[in-house]
Amino acid sequence: AQSVTQPDIHITVSEGASLELRCNYSYGATPYLFWYVQSPGQGLQLLLKYFSGDTLVQGIKGFEAEFKRSQSSFNLRKPSVHWSDAAEYFCAVGARGGADGLTFGKGTHLIIQP
Amino acid sequence: KAGVTQTPRYLIKTRGQQVTLSCSPISGHRSVSWYQQTPGQGLQFLFEYFSETQRNKGNFPGRFSGRQFSNSRSEMNVSTLELGDSALYLCASSPHRTSGHYNEQFFGPGTRLTVL
Repeated sequence: AQSVTQPDIHITVSEGASLELRCNYSYGATPYLFWYVQSPGQGLQLLLKYFSGDTLVQGIKGFEAEFKRSQSSFNLRKPSVHWSDAAEYFCAVGARGGADGLTFGKGTHLIIQP
Repeated sequence: KAGVTQTPRYLIKTRGQQVTLSCSPISGHRSVSWYQQTPGQGLQFLFEYFSETQRNKGNFPGRFSGRQFSNSRSEMNVSTLELGDSALYLCASSPHRTSGHYNEQFFGPGTRLTVL
């Protein structure tokens, strides 16, 4: 079965600074990888996804993520954060064939300092 | 297109009762998945329905059940509620299921269930 680890429970970043959120996954083959964002009281919004091909994927809101097979990682990055980026971020893995639904990490709570 | 809608948004029940939550997927989407989100366990997959059939099920007791209608709308039911069932229940829809491929899921705002 697949699993996802987000090592950082909380991260605090100054507005305008760069951001990197870490995600490590465990899966026997090349997985489908996703990053979602959740604002308070809201559902999940998909930021970006990796299925195959180019390992650097671009998403919405200026986010990007890089798939590194050798490190089993899919870290999320943004060059300059805005106060509106404060939210909970979830990394998720989906098995090929769609079995067992998405497996989510515990999430990283992003705090933006003015 | 309208997004995924879930009703009700908030619900308060007492232990032992049962509850039914509803999800309307994005128009044209035929796959509906349900997830439970709690502070302790995070987001956990409950089940997935496609073409009125349950395709996958997570590791939850039989008290959790669901169904999907011909118009792709889905309901989930929890019987004999326990305090630990208090959670945000999220529904997600996907366009379709393609063998060997995973479709991205679009989430609704969730139903906040509180069990007293």
